[in-house]
Amino acid sequence: QVHLQESGPGLVMPSGTLSLTCTVSDSSISSPYYWSWIRQPPGKGLEWIGTMYYSGATYYKSSLKSRVTMSVVLSRNQFSLDLSSVTAADTAIYYCARLPSLRNGGYLDSWGHGVLVTVSS
Amino acid sequence: QSALTQPPSASGSPGQSVTISCTGTSSDVGGYNYVSWYQQHPGKAPKLIIFEVSKRPSGVPDRFSGSKSGNTASLTVSGLQGEDEADYYCSSYGSTNNLVFGGGTSLTVL
Repeated sequence: QVHLQESGPGLVMPSGTLSLTCTVSDSSISSPYYWSWIRQPPGKGLEWIGTMYYSGATYYKSSLKSRVTMSVVLSRNQFSLDLSSVTAADTAIYYCARLPSLRNGGYLDSWGHGVLVTVSS
Repeated sequence: QSALTQPPSASGSPGQSVTISCTGTSSDVGGYNYVSWYQQHPGKAPKLIIFEVSKRPSGVPDRFSGSKSGNTASLTVSGLQGEDEADYYCSSYGSTNNLVFGGGTSLTVL
């Protein structure tokens, strides 16, 4: 049973960069799965941010693409999210999750508990 | 990458059945059999309950079922129980290697 845990600052200044890490346990990040970030503004719905494969291939939501970078640290079994030029609209609970496949299935079968990130001065 | 359309709310009495719709386009729901559904209780992470339109992960009761017709997918919850009261989200793979979610449906068990 894979376990995912998000970590990172709970407060980010406007115009700054939001940086989060997802630590994967009981599964190798280099196994044939994809890894994703999803966010949920307080009281609102889910929004897909992006997905990556351990080899480095990345797929981002088009409206966020200019501000998003996802990367992997194989040695730590972690993957990360950087979101630049943040505003209050980026305040949300951020989840990391696993996809068995993007092009064949596109479903998220394991999720972290989520971390609330607030953008405020 | 517009969000899929779900009704904001649905309700039913214990033991009844309720169906939640999820409407997209031919570029997502209608174009692929890659619709999934997630259940989210307050303060919890979403949980996968249906994938690839109608398949259930291990451990998900068979009271939950999924289907699709054209650009609209549906989730049916039969034999409603109090624990089914939650938010439900649909999702679909899209033609430009993306995932898109619905706006969510709040299910109330009366």
